[in-house]
Amino acid sequence: AQRVTQPEKLLSVFKGAPVELKCNYSYSGSPELFWYVQYSRQRLQLLLRHISRESIKGFTADLNKGETSFHLKKPFAQEEDSAMYYCALRGVQGAQKLVFGQGTRLTINP
Amino acid sequence: EAGVAQSPRYKIIEKRQSVAFWCNPISGHATLYWYQQILGQGPKLLIQFQNNGVVDDSQLPKDRFSAERLKGVDSTLKIQPAKLEDSAVYLCASSPLWPGANVLTFGAGSRLTVL
Repeated sequence: AQRVTQPEKLLSVFKGAPVELKCNYSYSGSPELFWYVQYSRQRLQLLLRHISRESIKGFTADLNKGETSFHLKKPFAQEEDSAMYYCALRGVQGAQKLVFGQGTRLTINP
Repeated sequence: EAGVAQSPRYKIIEKRQSVAFWCNPISGHATLYWYQQILGQGPKLLIQFQNNGVVDDSQLPKDRFSAERLKGVDSTLKIQPAKLEDSAVYLCASSPLWPGANVLTFGAGSRLTVL
């Protein structure tokens, strides 16, 4: 079964401080992992995917298969990073449905 | 390109009444998804269509929820009769078959309140 766990519902950091949003997953196989973000009064949208291995808005995420984790990191937080962040997993077999974690609300304090 | 369109944006009904939500995906996107997002939780997949066929509906409460995508384009999600626990935002999303098959584009959502 596919399962995504985001242990922190709320995370608050100061502007300029490093940010790490945790994501752990459960899946028997090699899944695809994603981070989606929802800014205030905007639609849920893709932030990044592990396959792309790119940095988006200063955020990076590395898939660690040994620890079954896909933590999202940014070295210097900005106020505009305040949003709801969802980690998501897509299986590579069967229906390949996208399963989301519970989400973490990130607040960047000035 | 135009985004995923959903209507209505807000709906308030009493329990045991019925409600329908409509979704028009991005033109050319073969796959359409309906998610339910209860306050404080992540989106939960209700049903996934590829063209007009159902790929996954394992978490759809079929005794009260139904969905269709008759011509492989727009889709309707119906709840009848509604329960209090159906209060949620119903998100529609779509994705192409290729490329970017795994990247979903979401609509703004339809917020349902059941009293």
